[in-house]
Amino acid sequence: EADIYQTPRYLVIGTGKKITLECSQTMGHDKMYWYQQDPGMELHLIHYSYGVNSTEKGDLSSESTVSRIRTEHFPLTLESARPSHTSQYLCASSEGLAAPNEQFFGPGTRLTVL
Amino acid sequence: QKEVEQDPGPLSVPEGAIVSLNCTYSNSAFQYFMWYRQYSRKGPELLMYTYSSGNKEDGRFTAQVDKSSKYISLFIRDSQPSDSATYLCAMSDRGSTLGRLYFGRGTQLTVWP
Repeated sequence: EADIYQTPRYLVIGTGKKITLECSQTMGHDKMYWYQQDPGMELHLIHYSYGVNSTEKGDLSSESTVSRIRTEHFPLTLESARPSHTSQYLCASSEGLAAPNEQFFGPGTRLTVL
Repeated sequence: QKEVEQDPGPLSVPEGAIVSLNCTYSNSAFQYFMWYRQYSRKGPELLMYTYSSGNKEDGRFTAQVDKSSKYISLFIRDSQPSDSATYLCAMSDRGSTLGRLYFGRGTQLTVWP
């Protein structure tokens, strides 16, 4: 079982609130990723990190921001939540040194913005 | 055109059936082909992967890649209710320093007793 954790697992929050989704891994992986997953749709990469102090935006435009101050921690923040942010957010990590680059996923955070 | 196409189903089969799941792709640079399994309210986990063309077997599961047709398949023999999950194909090219994966939409499979 992968050692990657996400909290909270479920979050229901009102419009305009600031939220932070936590993601931690204990595998020492340099590469970490945030995906957005909606029912019946592809996993969309919204942020990624090569390592500490390295963050980049993914393909899907997102109003969220991320930080990578420690190897094991990759939190995602929404400054002002809106109903359009309602989705499942998945965090993943990989060693990334050699193909096929298996990514290990956390259990996800299901976010609902009212 | 999407990088990876996968029929989302849903697919419902009786226990013991042979299941065939498929994906097509457009990027000829893809070299690694993976199948992830995602149970309800869980994150995806890697089931198996194949490099380039050919077949790979792991117990009741067989992965096939046909690069000439840009088509990959996952076969499940003697399917069990515990196989009920969403199956996502994923692909990457060899040169990606990020180790970027491109996912299909996932096929939702239900195996009923």
